[in-house]
Amino acid sequence: EVQLVESGGGLVQPGGSLRLSCAASGFTFSIHWMNWVRQAPGKGLEWVANIKQDGSEKYYVDPVKGRFTISRDNAKNLLSLQMNSLRAEDTAVYYCARALFGDYSTFDYWGQGTLVTVSS
Amino acid sequence: SYELTQPLSVSVALGQTARLTCGGNHIGSKNVHWYQQKPGQAPVLVLYRDTNRPSGIPERFSGSNSGNTATLTISRAQAGDEADYYCQVWDSSTVVFGGGTKLTVL
Repeated sequence: EVQLVESGGGLVQPGGSLRLSCAASGFTFSIHWMNWVRQAPGKGLEWVANIKQDGSEKYYVDPVKGRFTISRDNAKNLLSLQMNSLRAEDTAVYYCARALFGDYSTFDYWGQGTLVTVSS
Repeated sequence: SYELTQPLSVSVALGQTARLTCGGNHIGSKNVHWYQQKPGQAPVLVLYRDTNRPSGIPERFSGSNSGNTATLTISRAQAGDEADYYCQVWDSSTVVFGGGTKLTVL
């Protein structure tokens, strides 16, 4: 059974940092593009970043460029999101999402999400 | 940047057909994916590449995409179909989601 379990969320002050993790199991992690998608309270979905199977390509949505870094460890089946210089508008539930095999932007499995709250 | 436009809400009578639209410039030339999200839950992929259903998604869910509009059609609507629905495309190295449509089954 495919499982994606996020962790690392919490309350952080503006300007602070947080590192999210997504533990993957039940599938061959190294052959899928992986993504982070967020959802602010009461709002819609916003894609954050994705990373190629071998980590050689990464893409980000404009508002997080230069502040967030996506990475992966295929030996540990782990996806990460390092978030720096956090702002109030980064407050959201952050989902880890797997892309379909052979695809990079169709999300066939999602984790349950981890809540990040940026507030003083 | 590319934008996708979805109506905020759509209502459908129980057992009838709901049509949820997603508008975008020349969206017919793109692959459109649809997600269902129920309150407090993660999104679920219900259609991909315009018309394809993942395993486990009922045949009642179908799609089309042409010109400037993609459509998710839900036939014989059930109470369990009540949810938010998001369309999504890939454009210029970014993923774009529509704002979402809340489907109410009356």
